Amino acid sequence: GDSVTQMEGPVTLSEEAFLTINCTYTATGYPSLFWYVQYPGEGLQLLLKATKADDKGSNKGFEATYRKETTSFHLEKGSVQVSDSAVYFCALTSNAGGTSYGKLTFGQGTILTVHP
Amino acid sequence: DGGITQSPKYLFRKEGQNVTLSCEQNLNHDAMYWYRQDPGQGLRLIYYSQIVNDFQKGDIAEGYSVSREKKESFPLTVTSAQKNPTAFYLCASRVSHDRDYEQYFGPGTRLTVT
Repeated sequence: GDSVTQMEGPVTLSEEAFLTINCTYTATGYPSLFWYVQYPGEGLQLLLKATKADDKGSNKGFEATYRKETTSFHLEKGSVQVSDSAVYFCALTSNAGGTSYGKLTFGQGTILTVHP
Repeated sequence: DGGITQSPKYLFRKEGQNVTLSCEQNLNHDAMYWYRQDPGQGLRLIYYSQIVNDFQKGDIAEGYSVSREKKESFPLTVTSAQKNPTAFYLCASRVSHDRDYEQYFGPGTRLTVT
């Protein structure tokens, strides 16, 4: 079945440091890929998405490129801020048919803490 | 403002009691979802509904039940058969079940069963 694997956390960085959170996936066909962010005590918000190979999603200084050859969708930001502290989830929606179509599969989440 | 409302934010129950979590959306979305989140784990799908009066089991449906009598409402009942009900529950909706559309999430309900 489909699965998403994220790098182990937590990740602790100083403000203005470079961020990479690795995400790899296993899926049949051509899934759509997403990064969601969860701030403390809240629900999830979409950060960015990519729906086909080589697409780059970007938002709020974050970027991720859909790499089919390496089945990866790594999240990057050039200069993190304290306000970026949150839990980040990589996810995919299935391209399989039947009742699996459109189902969202999540990675385990990566906790990011940014210190001033 | 359009969005998803979940109530209450915190819920406490005694073991053996059924409890119903509310989820309402005014986004006019057809598809709705219930997820469970446990510490250190990603979200796991409990139930989803693509249209009114229809719903499907997700990966961990045992011990849960849902209904979808109205487009805007998708309540989740955690029954006494659910062995480990204490968790953070998130409701989500999407324009349609089409895979490219993002899901919008509510603020969640934290259920504690003792």
